[in-house]
Amino acid sequence: SQKIEQNSEALNIQEGKTATLTCNYTNYSPAYLQWYRQDPGRGPVFLLLIRENEKEKRKERLKVTFDTTLKQSLFHITASQPADSATYLCALASGGYNKLIFGAGTRLAVHP
Amino acid sequence: DADVTQTPRNRITKTGKRIMLECSQTKGHDRMYWYRQDPGLGLRLIYYSFDVKDINKGEISDGYSVSRQAQAKFSLSLESAIPNQTALYFCATSDFSGDKNIQYFGAGTRLSVL
Repeated sequence: SQKIEQNSEALNIQEGKTATLTCNYTNYSPAYLQWYRQDPGRGPVFLLLIRENEKEKRKERLKVTFDTTLKQSLFHITASQPADSATYLCALASGGYNKLIFGAGTRLAVHP
Repeated sequence: DADVTQTPRNRITKTGKRIMLECSQTKGHDRMYWYRQDPGLGLRLIYYSFDVKDINKGEISDGYSVSRQAQAKFSLSLESAIPNQTALYFCATSDFSGDKNIQYFGAGTRLSVL
């Protein structure tokens, strides 16, 4: 069955450093992959989308890579700030783009 | 006002009770979704609807039913609530423009079944 894995352990980093989160998937060839941010008590908010034919996508301090050979996406936040502390979810297109399959998310804590 | 509104935000109910969670949107999107979120399991799709006449089961539809009353309204019902339906429930919409299927979520309903 299709499976998405994100590191379940929280990632703790120092302010100003680069945070790198990993999303791995199996038994799947998604046309695109999305990243969402979720704050406590709130719904996920879309951040970035990267297609299978794109190696890298950037938006301000955010960068996403997509390696279809390794079946992996990396999500980077450069010059991290305490306000970046949240849970980050990856999601893959499924069912001919009709649905998304979400990973369980990785919690990021940026310390001053 | 929020584009995707869920009511109630919190609900405590007893085993065997019927409850309804409601979702309304002002984004004008055709597609609406219901997910539940459990710690360590991520978001799992319960039902989705592409228009008023189109309802589809998701990954975990057993024990749930839905109604798409209008383009802007999509409700989720638990006919006879059980404790393992205790979870955080999210409604989402998407317009599927350019095949991106970017989803917009409500703030969630925290449901506890005692």
